[in-house]
Amino acid sequence: EDKVVQSPLSLVVHEGDTVTLNCSYEVTNFRSLLWYKQEKKAPTFLFMLTSSGIEKKSGRLSSILDKKELFSILNITATQTGDSAVYLCAVPQGGSEKLVFGKGTKLTVNP
Amino acid sequence: NAGVMQNPRHLVRRRGQEARLRCSPVKGHSHVYWYRQLPEEGLKFMVYLQKENIIDESGMPKERFSAEFPKEGPSILRIQQVVRGDSAAYFCASSPFGGLGSPLHFGNGTRLTVT
Repeated sequence: EDKVVQSPLSLVVHEGDTVTLNCSYEVTNFRSLLWYKQEKKAPTFLFMLTSSGIEKKSGRLSSILDKKELFSILNITATQTGDSAVYLCAVPQGGSEKLVFGKGTKLTVNP
Repeated sequence: NAGVMQNPRHLVRRRGQEARLRCSPVKGHSHVYWYRQLPEEGLKFMVYLQKENIIDESGMPKERFSAEFPKEGPSILRIQQVVRGDSAAYFCASSPFGGLGSPLHFGNGTRLTVT
Protein backbone atom coordinates (compact mmCIF):
# COMPACT_ATOMS: atom_id res chain seq x y z
CA GLU A 1 0.00 0.00 0.00
CA ASP A 2 1.31 3.44 -0.92
CA LYS A 3 2.23 5.54 2.06
CA VAL A 4 3.82 8.81 3.12
CA VAL A 5 5.54 9.30 6.45
CA GLN A 6 6.52 12.72 7.73
CA SER A 7 8.84 13.60 10.57
CA PRO A 8 8.94 15.11 13.02
CA LEU A 9 5.22 15.28 13.78
CA SER A 10 5.74 18.57 15.57
CA LEU A 11 8.51 21.07 15.97
CA VAL A 12 8.88 24.21 18.06
CA VAL A 13 11.58 26.72 17.16
CA HIS A 14 12.43 30.38 17.69
CA GLU A 15 12.28 33.04 15.06
CA GLY A 16 15.41 33.05 12.96
CA ASP A 17 16.05 29.33 13.29
CA THR A 18 16.41 27.06 10.26
CA VAL A 19 14.23 23.96 10.10
CA THR A 20 14.26 20.80 8.02
CA LEU A 21 11.10 18.78 7.55
CA ASN A 22 11.26 15.23 6.29
CA CYS A 23 9.01 13.18 4.06
CA SER A 24 9.59 9.56 3.09
CA TYR A 25 7.32 7.69 0.71
CA GLU A 26 6.53 4.34 -0.78
CA VAL A 27 4.57 4.40 -4.01
CA THR A 28 4.38 2.37 -7.19
CA ASN A 29 5.01 4.29 -10.40
CA PHE A 30 6.25 7.49 -8.81
CA ARG A 31 5.13 10.62 -10.64
CA SER A 32 5.71 13.51 -8.28
CA LEU A 33 5.88 14.67 -4.68
CA LEU A 34 4.08 17.75 -3.44
CA TRP A 35 4.46 19.98 -0.40
CA TYR A 36 1.60 22.02 1.01
CA LYS A 37 1.32 24.51 3.86
CA GLN A 38 -1.87 24.41 5.90
CA GLU A 39 -2.78 27.13 8.34
CA LYS A 40 -6.36 27.22 9.52
CA LYS A 41 -7.92 26.80 6.13
CA ALA A 42 -7.01 25.38 2.74
CA PRO A 43 -3.73 23.61 2.13
CA THR A 44 -1.79 25.98 -0.06
CA PHE A 45 0.59 24.59 -2.64
CA LEU A 46 4.32 25.10 -2.12
CA PHE A 47 6.32 22.80 -4.37
CA MET A 48 5.94 19.97 -6.83
CA LEU A 49 9.04 17.82 -7.31
CA THR A 50 9.55 15.29 -10.05
CA SER A 51 13.31 15.00 -10.52
CA SER A 52 15.98 13.94 -8.06
CA GLY A 53 18.60 16.37 -6.90
CA ILE A 54 17.07 19.52 -8.32
CA GLU A 55 16.34 22.04 -5.61
CA LYS A 56 13.19 24.09 -5.86
CA LYS A 57 13.30 27.42 -4.10
CA SER A 58 10.80 30.08 -3.17
CA GLY A 59 12.09 32.81 -0.90
CA ARG A 60 13.17 31.25 2.38
CA LEU A 61 11.68 27.87 1.49
CA SER A 62 13.41 25.20 -0.54
CA SER A 63 12.85 21.55 -1.22
CA ILE A 64 14.70 18.67 -2.79
CA LEU A 65 13.83 15.13 -3.77
CA ASP A 66 15.87 11.92 -3.58
CA LYS A 67 14.17 9.28 -5.71
CA LYS A 68 16.79 6.67 -4.92
CA GLU A 69 16.28 6.91 -1.15
CA LEU A 70 12.58 7.77 -1.51
CA PHE A 71 12.45 10.94 0.51
CA SER A 72 12.19 14.69 0.29
CA ILE A 73 13.08 17.51 2.61
CA LEU A 74 11.59 20.94 3.02
CA ASN A 75 13.92 23.59 4.42
CA ILE A 76 12.85 26.90 5.88
CA THR A 77 15.58 29.39 6.72
CA ALA A 78 15.29 32.41 9.01
CA THR A 79 11.90 31.26 10.24
CA GLN A 80 9.21 33.78 11.07
CA THR A 81 6.08 33.46 13.20
CA GLY A 82 4.06 33.47 9.98
CA ASP A 83 5.68 30.16 9.05
CA SER A 84 3.76 28.49 11.87
CA ALA A 85 1.53 25.94 10.16
CA VAL A 86 1.15 22.28 9.38
CA TYR A 87 3.29 21.22 6.43
CA LEU A 88 1.87 18.38 4.38
CA CYS A 89 3.65 16.08 1.97
CA ALA A 90 1.76 14.09 -0.67
CA VAL A 91 2.37 11.73 -3.57
CA PRO A 92 -0.04 10.54 -6.28
CA GLN A 93 -0.96 6.94 -5.71
CA GLY A 94 0.31 4.71 -8.47
CA GLY A 95 -2.14 4.40 -11.34
CA SER A 96 -4.83 6.61 -9.86
CA GLU A 97 -5.97 10.17 -9.35
CA LYS A 98 -5.57 9.99 -5.58
CA LEU A 99 -3.07 11.99 -3.60
CA VAL A 100 -1.76 10.13 -0.57
CA PHE A 101 -0.94 12.59 2.22
CA GLY A 102 1.28 12.25 5.24
CA LYS A 103 -0.03 13.31 8.64
CA GLY A 104 1.95 16.51 8.47
CA THR A 105 4.54 18.30 10.55
CA LYS A 106 3.17 20.96 12.86
CA LEU A 107 5.68 23.79 12.99
CA THR A 108 5.43 26.43 15.69
CA VAL A 109 7.72 29.44 15.42
CA ASN A 110 7.92 31.46 18.63
CA PRO A 111 8.97 35.11 18.68
CA ASN B 1 -9.62 34.70 -10.90
CA ALA B 2 -11.60 33.06 -8.19
CA GLY B 3 -10.15 29.91 -6.73
CA VAL B 4 -12.11 26.89 -5.62
CA MET B 5 -15.13 28.06 -3.65
CA GLN B 6 -16.72 25.92 -1.00
CA ASN B 7 -19.80 26.57 1.05
CA PRO B 8 -20.87 26.63 3.70
CA ARG B 9 -17.66 27.24 5.64
CA HIS B 10 -19.18 25.73 8.76
CA LEU B 11 -22.10 23.34 8.99
CA VAL B 12 -23.67 21.97 12.16
CA ARG B 13 -26.02 19.02 11.91
CA ARG B 14 -27.69 16.82 14.48
CA ARG B 15 -27.27 13.08 14.24
CA GLY B 16 -29.55 11.65 11.58
CA GLN B 17 -29.82 14.83 9.51
CA GLU B 18 -28.45 15.32 6.01
CA ALA B 19 -25.41 17.42 5.14
CA ARG B 20 -24.87 18.97 1.71
CA LEU B 21 -21.48 20.42 0.91
CA ARG B 22 -20.97 22.47 -2.22
CA CYS B 23 -17.88 23.07 -4.30
CA SER B 24 -17.56 25.44 -7.23
CA PRO B 25 -14.37 24.63 -9.11
CA VAL B 26 -12.11 27.16 -10.76
CA LYS B 27 -13.83 28.40 -13.91
CA GLY B 28 -13.07 26.07 -16.77
CA HIS B 29 -11.95 23.17 -14.56
CA SER B 30 -13.80 19.96 -15.27
CA HIS B 31 -12.06 17.70 -12.71
CA VAL B 32 -13.09 17.80 -9.06
CA TYR B 33 -11.66 15.96 -6.06
CA TRP B 34 -13.04 15.68 -2.53
CA TYR B 35 -10.87 15.00 0.51
CA ARG B 36 -11.70 14.59 4.19
CA GLN B 37 -9.49 15.64 7.08
CA LEU B 38 -10.10 14.27 10.54
CA PRO B 39 -8.52 16.02 13.55
CA GLU B 40 -4.76 15.42 13.75
CA GLU B 41 -4.85 13.46 10.48
CA GLY B 42 -3.71 14.16 6.96
CA LEU B 43 -6.14 14.53 4.11
CA LYS B 44 -7.80 11.36 2.85
CA PHE B 45 -9.08 10.99 -0.70
CA MET B 46 -12.79 10.44 -1.05
CA VAL B 47 -13.92 10.82 -4.64
CA TYR B 48 -12.84 12.08 -8.05
CA LEU B 49 -15.38 13.37 -10.55
CA GLN B 50 -15.45 14.81 -14.00
CA LYS B 51 -18.45 16.64 -15.35
CA GLU B 52 -21.47 14.34 -14.96
CA ASN B 53 -19.30 11.32 -14.15
CA ILE B 54 -17.92 9.71 -11.02
CA ILE B 55 -14.51 8.40 -11.97
CA ASP B 56 -13.19 7.03 -8.68
CA GLU B 57 -15.21 6.82 -5.48
CA SER B 58 -13.02 4.25 -3.78
CA GLY B 59 -12.30 6.53 -0.81
CA MET B 60 -15.91 7.23 -0.04
CA PRO B 61 -17.93 5.10 2.41
CA LYS B 62 -20.42 3.03 0.44
CA GLU B 63 -23.34 3.93 2.64
CA ARG B 64 -24.76 7.38 3.34
CA PHE B 65 -22.21 9.23 1.18
CA SER B 66 -22.74 10.33 -2.41
CA ALA B 67 -21.22 12.88 -4.75
CA GLU B 68 -22.17 14.50 -8.00
CA PHE B 69 -20.78 17.04 -10.43
CA PRO B 70 -23.61 18.03 -12.76
CA LYS B 71 -23.24 19.64 -16.14
CA GLU B 72 -24.31 22.94 -14.64
CA GLY B 73 -23.66 24.08 -11.11
CA PRO B 74 -21.34 23.08 -8.30
CA SER B 75 -20.21 19.66 -7.22
CA ILE B 76 -22.16 18.37 -4.24
CA LEU B 77 -21.00 15.99 -1.52
CA ARG B 78 -24.03 14.62 0.29
CA ILE B 79 -23.97 12.80 3.60
CA GLN B 80 -27.21 11.26 4.72
CA GLN B 81 -28.10 10.39 8.32
CA VAL B 82 -24.94 11.93 9.68
CA VAL B 83 -23.18 10.42 12.69
CA ARG B 84 -20.65 11.96 15.06
CA GLY B 85 -17.80 10.25 13.22
CA ASP B 86 -18.60 12.32 10.12
CA SER B 87 -17.39 15.44 11.94
CA ALA B 88 -14.40 16.59 9.92
CA ALA B 89 -13.18 19.19 7.46
CA TYR B 90 -14.10 18.42 3.88
CA PHE B 91 -11.92 19.93 1.17
CA CYS B 92 -12.51 20.19 -2.53
CA ALA B 93 -9.92 20.73 -5.25
CA SER B 94 -10.22 21.17 -8.99
CA SER B 95 -7.99 20.77 -12.00
CA PRO B 96 -8.27 21.51 -15.71
CA PHE B 97 -6.80 18.10 -16.50
CA GLY B 98 -6.68 14.66 -14.98
CA GLY B 99 -3.51 12.73 -14.27
CA LEU B 100 -2.32 14.91 -11.39
CA GLY B 101 0.32 16.36 -13.67
CA SER B 102 -0.29 19.75 -12.15
CA PRO B 103 -0.71 20.47 -8.45
CA LEU B 104 -4.18 20.50 -6.94
CA HIS B 105 -5.38 23.76 -5.45
CA PHE B 106 -7.83 23.38 -2.62
CA GLY B 107 -10.80 25.37 -1.45
CA ASN B 108 -11.09 26.61 2.12
CA GLY B 109 -13.12 23.61 3.14
CA THR B 110 -16.37 22.97 4.96
CA ARG B 111 -16.07 22.13 8.62
CA LEU B 112 -18.88 19.75 9.51
CA THR B 113 -19.83 19.30 13.14
CA VAL B 114 -22.33 16.63 14.07
CA THR B 115 -23.93 17.09 17.47
